[in-house]
Amino acid sequence: AQKITQTQPGMFVQEKEAVTLDCTYDTSDPSYGLFWYKQPSSGEMIFLIYQGSYDQQNATEGRYSLNFQKARKSANLVISASQLGDSAMYFCAMRSYSGNTPLVFGKGTRLSVIA
Amino acid sequence: NAGVMQNPRHLVRRRGQEARLRCSPMKGHSHVYWYRQLPEEGLKFMVYLQKENIIDESGMPKERFSAEFPKEGPSILRIQQVVRGDSAAYFCASSQSRSSGNTIYFGEGSWLTVV
Repeated sequence: AQKITQTQPGMFVQEKEAVTLDCTYDTSDPSYGLFWYKQPSSGEMIFLIYQGSYDQQNATEGRYSLNFQKARKSANLVISASQLGDSAMYFCAMRSYSGNTPLVFGKGTRLSVIA
Repeated sequence: NAGVMQNPRHLVRRRGQEARLRCSPMKGHSHVYWYRQLPEEGLKFMVYLQKENIIDESGMPKERFSAEFPKEGPSILRIQQVVRGDSAAYFCASSQSRSSGNTIYFGEGSWLTVV
């Protein structure tokens, strides 16, 4: 069974600072993908970044980077130079590529950026 | 995120009525997923469909809920005889395939309120 754990219900960060949102996962499948989504107060789910289990390098997308530590089974999201518009819920998710397993989500972390 | 179209965005139903939620996947995507999000919670998988086939419905309640993805037209999530506990946000997502590296994009969600 797959499981995603996000241990930080809420986080605060000062504008322009970097912040790390934690995510650990559990799977016995060697082939899997890790995803981060942002959900602002308007409700939509916005895809941010993807990391495959066999990718050699950490994924980066603009101000977002994924700190992938396979041995520790962690996939933390790093947001650099935080902006007020980054205030939102952030969800970590994973998907195993064996079988027809669905995308499994963590409970999310609410990030608040302070001016 | 652009491209997965859900409607209606907001739907109000009285207890006992039927709710129909529609989802058009991104162009070129043939895999559709439905998720439900209760207030202040993460997304819970409901069903995974390909054109004319249900691949995985392990997250669907056994009664009153059904989903389809016909050869032509959008995917439909149908909830019959709605109850207050069905009030939630229902998200549709799509992907090109289920292979490694294929990103899953979400629609903007449909908010169902049962009164």
